[in-house]
Amino acid sequence: DGGITQSPKYLFRKEGQNVTLSCEQNLNHDAMYWYRQDPGQGLRLIYYSQIVNDFQKGDIAEGYSVSREKKESFPLTVTSAQKNPTAFYLCASRKPGLAGDRTDTQYFGPGTRLTVL
Amino acid sequence: AQSVAQPEDQVNVAEGNPLTVKCTYSVSGNPYLFWYVQYPNRGLQFLLKYITGDNLVKGSYGFEAEFNKSQTSFHLKKPSALVSDSALYFCAVRDVYSSASKIIFGSGTRLSIRP
Repeated sequence: DGGITQSPKYLFRKEGQNVTLSCEQNLNHDAMYWYRQDPGQGLRLIYYSQIVNDFQKGDIAEGYSVSREKKESFPLTVTSAQKNPTAFYLCASRKPGLAGDRTDTQYFGPGTRLTVL
Repeated sequence: AQSVAQPEDQVNVAEGNPLTVKCTYSVSGNPYLFWYVQYPNRGLQFLLKYITGDNLVKGSYGFEAEFNKSQTSFHLKKPSALVSDSALYFCAVRDVYSSASKIIFGSGTRLSIRP
């Protein structure tokens, strides 16, 4: 988990509220990712960003939004449009491999557990 | 489509015995495969990856993985299990069609080591 921090560790949300999950990295990585983890389903990609001020939707982006104003930060907002937000959310950043070899590795933060009350 | 499959939801092993966590893959072209481990309420930790070359890849904490092209498998192994190895293990493959180095994860296998 070293170098990537997520806060808070636990978050409780009332229905209809937007909440923002923080992800910060000091690894000087360009690319960052947000995943959602549900029991028995592995990890699913929500959003990713390859560079500052640019981001793309992943496989399950509906009901979520992100920003990438700084290289170090990639916050995720879970909006009221997300119908089933209770899950474990993981942020990752990517250490680039050598040019052209596509061997880069993603490193993960400790996660935020979001519960809707 | 790129994918990985972990056929076992749970694997139970006695401490000191060898362990194997299975993974099979389906990719176009050369596969780039990963194993990650997750301890309770924690993020994923990188264990090892296969790029090319030797079919036996050595990783962290004494784990290794065997790449088998004919069987399209990438099983995770350890010669002697420890109770502290009990965790959730994910196999993953790099999406070769993605310029953003997206990774596709398997559903995970829970490894339980009994004393």
